[in-house]
Amino acid sequence: LAKTTQPISMDSYEGQEVNITCSHNNIATNDYITWYQQFPSQGPRFIIQGYKTKVTNEVASLFIPADRKSSTLSLPRVSLSDTAVYYCLVGGMDSSYKLIFGSGTRLLVRP
Amino acid sequence: DAGVTQSPTHLIKTRGQQVTLRCSPKSGHDTVSWYQQALGQGPQFIFQYYEEEERQRGNFPDRFSGHQFPNYSSELNVNALLLGDSALYLCASSSFGGNHEQYFGPGTRLTVT
Repeated sequence: LAKTTQPISMDSYEGQEVNITCSHNNIATNDYITWYQQFPSQGPRFIIQGYKTKVTNEVASLFIPADRKSSTLSLPRVSLSDTAVYYCLVGGMDSSYKLIFGSGTRLLVRP
Repeated sequence: DAGVTQSPTHLIKTRGQQVTLRCSPKSGHDTVSWYQQALGQGPQFIFQYYEEEERQRGNFPDRFSGHQFPNYSSELNVNALLLGDSALYLCASSSFGGNHEQYFGPGTRLTVT
């Protein structure tokens, strides 16, 4: 399973765009990249998943370069409620696949 | 439509005791996975149940065992509790072979004293 590396923490201000980059140099051909969000004392929540290029949904965008060795989660115009831990995971697309979490990135959004 | 539910919310146990945690999956889901999350760490995969059988297991000792019932709900049992077992235990449900998303419950906070 590919190991992921992401910043331990990031600070931002309300209304700014936040980009969190994840490194996964050993990603396998059939691995997808998935991001989860976790608030204190809650379970993680799926944000977005992609394989290559760009994926966008109502919450975020995911940018994946051609070599797929990294990915960037982009959160547009963050608010205080976006303060959370964000996890980057790589693995199979099948939901029966066990999720391997790293330590995540703690995002703090300031007023 | 109820999401994933877990019980109890919190509990306190003493070293050496045994504990059982319970999980009801989201409606329509047949697969349950359990994760342990220590303070300040990401969740760690314990095991996964599908069709009442353990399908995958993470790097956890045999003190951790589980069960899945015909209605897809699941239990996590931990024997001979250690102080290091204090953590948030998360249950996630999904549809086997289905799409990519696992739905997590709110967790059970276990404190071992």
